[in-house]
Amino acid sequence: DAEITQSPRHKITETGRQVTLACHQTWNHNNMFWYRQDLGHGLRLIHYSYGVHDTNKGEVSDGYSVSRSNTEDLPLTLESAASSQTSVYFCASSARAGEVDIQYFGAGTRLSVL
Amino acid sequence: GDSVTQMEGPVTLSEEAFLTINCTYTATGYPSLFWYVQYPGEGLQLLLKATKADDKGSNKGFEATYRKETTSFHLEKGSVQVSDSAVYFCALIIGSKLTFGTGTRLQVTL
Repeated sequence: DAEITQSPRHKITETGRQVTLACHQTWNHNNMFWYRQDLGHGLRLIHYSYGVHDTNKGEVSDGYSVSRSNTEDLPLTLESAASSQTSVYFCASSARAGEVDIQYFGAGTRLSVL
Repeated sequence: GDSVTQMEGPVTLSEEAFLTINCTYTATGYPSLFWYVQYPGEGLQLLLKATKADDKGSNKGFEATYRKETTSFHLEKGSVQVSDSAVYFCALIIGSKLTFGTGTRLQVTL
């Protein structure tokens, strides 16, 4: 079955370190997204991509970057991790279903920055 | 900008009770509306959707009706089960961008 996988599922890092979270989907979807989930905020969009070599900033993009070198992968990099980036991170990809895009989510990565 | 407001949780119900989780939205365009569910330790799963006014989305006994006049999309279920315990997110989409509410935790007890 096609799926979307995130790795690692849990990560502990130190302030100032560079961290990369992986996201891989096998549906061949063009659109991919990264969100962070924090209590009281729901999910907030960090970055998104509509295809290979396309990347766009979301509402909370400061301190994060993405690159899209192929259809399957959209890695999220924290350039210099900060304690404020402790969160649960979700990757999603989307496909058209009739009149609307449907997003499909990975299981998430729990990141702690100490 | 676009926004979604849903009722604060947690909501605690006994098994077989009736569930309502309120959701209202503000949008600059004409959105489609969703309810997503997140079980413990998992990602979000699409529960149901509605793409135009007066549409009713339904799945697994849950229902929600797209009410344009009240900008609402309230989630209902007639008889909840312990297995329905999860966090429920209301969301809207315009184009390809999803905007989420803050989530409502539902706890169902025996």
